[in-house]
Amino acid sequence: EPEVTQTPSHQVTQMGQEVILRCVPISNHLYFYWYRQILGQKVEFLVSFYNNEISEKSEIFDDQFSVERPDGSNFTLKIRSTKLEDSAMYFCASRLPGQAYEQYFGPGTRLTVT
Amino acid sequence: AQSVAQPEDQVNVAEGNPLTVKCTYSVSGNPYLFWYVQYPNRGLQFLLKYITGDNLVKGSYGFEAEFNKSQTSFHLKKPSALVSDSALYFCAVRLDRGSYKLIFGSGTRLLVRP
Repeated sequence: EPEVTQTPSHQVTQMGQEVILRCVPISNHLYFYWYRQILGQKVEFLVSFYNNEISEKSEIFDDQFSVERPDGSNFTLKIRSTKLEDSAMYFCASRLPGQAYEQYFGPGTRLTVT
Repeated sequence: AQSVAQPEDQVNVAEGNPLTVKCTYSVSGNPYLFWYVQYPNRGLQFLLKYITGDNLVKGSYGFEAEFNKSQTSFHLKKPSALVSDSALYFCAVRLDRGSYKLIFGSGTRLLVRP
């Protein structure tokens, strides 16, 4: 069964450094998402992406964040200058077109900012 | 604003007994409702969804959920719990328009004792 994959599984970085989290969505999916889950808290929506552009973003997704789909398969989330409060589990998700379809989530990348 | 409430942080049930994990929602417009399960150090796995039609929906691993529009609820149920059902369960709501982002509840930890 096709799966969403994410790399790395765990990333440790120093405050102020740039990180790129990578995702490979399911191949025939067209809608892509990033969510994050701070330890012990809710899963929160960050951004949705369709047709090579952002379709919606949350208040969390400020100028320090960016997304792109550089090669038609990978979907990346970049944080330009990480802060301690960016430490969280980051989940990528994808889905088929059509409003009836559910999102499929990757296993997540645990980002630790020190 | 859309929101999801899972009033119980934890549900304890004996193996073989029925289980219920509660979820209520608040949206303007037609809700699309989902249940996801998260096992330790894993991503979110899709269990089931309500889009339209029958109020009782069946999903993976013997789980089912009942949509109740008047009570704005979407409780997850299983007739006979297994120890392996022990995990973190998330209810989520999505509108029938826009980017289809998911709004998650805070999660309920299900503990099934042998």
